[in-house]
Amino acid sequence: DAKTTQPPSMDCAEGRAANLPCNHSTISGNEYVYWYRQIHSQGPQYIIHGLKNNETNEMASLIITEDRKSSTLILPHATLRDTAVYYCIVRGVGSQGNLIFGKGTKLSVKP
Amino acid sequence: EPEVTQTPSHQVTQMGQEVILRCVPISNHLYFYWYRQILGQKVEFLVSFYNNEISEKSEIFDDQFSVERPDGSNFTLKIRSTKLEDSAMYFCASSFPGNTIYFGEGSWLTVV
Repeated sequence: DAKTTQPPSMDCAEGRAANLPCNHSTISGNEYVYWYRQIHSQGPQYIIHGLKNNETNEMASLIITEDRKSSTLILPHATLRDTAVYYCIVRGVGSQGNLIFGKGTKLSVKP
Repeated sequence: EPEVTQTPSHQVTQMGQEVILRCVPISNHLYFYWYRQILGQKVEFLVSFYNNEISEKSEIFDDQFSVERPDGSNFTLKIRSTKLEDSAMYFCASSFPGNTIYFGEGSWLTVV
């Protein structure tokens, strides 16, 4: 699986959009971009995933660049409960393989 | 919404004792996983399990670890002789083949 690069930490004001970047320049055509988050020491929580089109669900939006070498997770109206470590992970389409977690981005939402 | 459930939430054990951590995966899922996270460190893959056998394991998953699906609903991780360095949060996860992996809330193991 391709490796990803994320900033170690970011701050966001409550109510504002949080934009979390991820670089995955070695991604191959059959690999998805997945986003998970971990609040304190709870289990990783699935947020969203995409292949090449932008995706939106009730939690977030995922914007993938046309060359697929980077993506941005957008939390449209961040709340204090969104404070967590966010992980960007690349995983093969149809893969039964496990997820490889990096260090992620520690997002701190401030009042 | 279906979820992965784990028991116990927290266990304290003496070094050298056997520990069994239990998980009930999401009901129609066919792939099962164990991950661990030592305090302050990354989430690490231990093992994946499919069709009643291990499909992949990491170098962390040595002979002191074993997994089992004893009754078609539970998925267990056994640590035969615990060491201090086994103290960690252990996460169970499950997925339908090729689909999103969902995690439980974890079992915190403290070895003293």
